[in-house]
Amino acid sequence: DTGVSQNPRHKITKRGQNVTFRCDPISEHNRLYWYRQTLGQGPEFLTYFQNEAQLEKSRLLSDRFSAERPKGSFSTLEIQRTEQGDSAMYLCASSLTGVASYNSPLHFGNGTRLTVT
Amino acid sequence: GDSVTQMEGPVTLSEEAFLTINCTYTATGYPSLFWYVQYPGEGLQLLLKATKADDKGSNKGFEATYRKETTSFHLEKGSVQVSDSAVYFCALTDTGRRALTFGSGTRLQVQP
Repeated sequence: DTGVSQNPRHKITKRGQNVTFRCDPISEHNRLYWYRQTLGQGPEFLTYFQNEAQLEKSRLLSDRFSAERPKGSFSTLEIQRTEQGDSAMYLCASSLTGVASYNSPLHFGNGTRLTVT
Repeated sequence: GDSVTQMEGPVTLSEEAFLTINCTYTATGYPSLFWYVQYPGEGLQLLLKATKADDKGSNKGFEATYRKETTSFHLEKGSVQVSDSAVYFCALTDTGRRALTFGSGTRLQVQP
């Protein structure tokens, strides 16, 4: 178990630029989640995949955000035309399919910290 | 919608003191409740969980009891250690949902 891996660890970009983050889940996990965390707050749900299918998206996921998981393994999160309000820690988590969510706890990565200047 | 409210931190305690971190929730269905912990420089990790009313979750000396009548899931530990210094997040998943709803976190600082 090598854990959930996220790259890059830090990203600084200018307003208006596009950025892409990558998440490699634990290999046998078929569920993958993206969360966003701002300073002093808990993580907020963005979107969730089961295998390659994106099954749920939060209202927080505006049209400038897109997430993919093309082969049901790694996932990318792209933010187009970044804004200063996008500055946050972006967290990825993965889990196994279970009868109910409590049977398959989430394993989180260390996150990608985005700073938009 | 679902929400989780935690006591604000930081909570500063001396080693071997008793810890309580309050957590209350609002949910429309029958939620499962969780405590996650984030140690400095590390990712969030599950500390304990409870899936129905009156269940008690426990791990590493921490305990929390699912109280439906008070919609609470307070985290307790009888004797904290310096190594328990971290940010603690209360969270829930509601019926039929996969996503976790988190509280804002409570930072615990344990002094030797």
